[in-house]
Amino acid sequence: DAKTTQPPSMDCAEGRAANLPCNHSTISGNEYVYWYRQIHSQGPQYIIHGLKNNETNEMASLIITEDRKSSTLILPHATLRDTAVYYCIVRGIGDMRFGAGTRLTVKP
Amino acid sequence: DAGITQSPRHKVTETGTPVTLRCHQTENHRYMYWYRQDPGHGLRLIHYSYGVKDTDKGEVSDGYSVSRSKTEDFLLTLESATSSQTSVYFCAISESFIPRTSKSEQFFGPGTRLTVL
Repeated sequence: DAKTTQPPSMDCAEGRAANLPCNHSTISGNEYVYWYRQIHSQGPQYIIHGLKNNETNEMASLIITEDRKSSTLILPHATLRDTAVYYCIVRGIGDMRFGAGTRLTVKP
Repeated sequence: DAGITQSPRHKVTETGTPVTLRCHQTENHRYMYWYRQDPGHGLRLIHYSYGVKDTDKGEVSDGYSVSRSKTEDFLLTLESATSSQTSVYFCAISESFIPRTSKSEQFFGPGTRLTVL
């Protein structure tokens, strides 16, 4: 599976959109982009995943560039409860490989 | 939240003793996974199961064994615990293993914090 690169940390003001970037320049055609988050010491929580089209659900939006070499997770109106570590994972048929993720801190 | 429980939630044990962690699900999902999480390493897959009595190794399987005798239970055993196995262990489940389906997302349990002295 392709590797991902994420910034180690980001801040966001409460109520504003949080845009979390992820680079995956070696992604192959059959690999999907997944996003999970982990709040404090809880188990990771699935957010969204996609192949090449933009995706939206009740939690977030996923924007994948046309060349698929990068993506952005968007939390449209961040709240304090969105403070967590966000993991971007590129996955084919095999298992998921979690990296270090981005620690997002939402500030009042 | 997906019905996943892990037991025990916390355990302290001594080097050389056997330890078994249990994951129980009420979702009837086919796939079950064991991960460990350590500072600086993120989550790493230990073993996974794709059905009753069907298991396979993950990224860091040495020193661990698993068993799945029924759909709802997936056991992780440390035959002889070592200090390097001090970690937080997470169980996860999914309906599918294939990313293109909408059921491939994994749902995680609350974790078990294991300390080996």
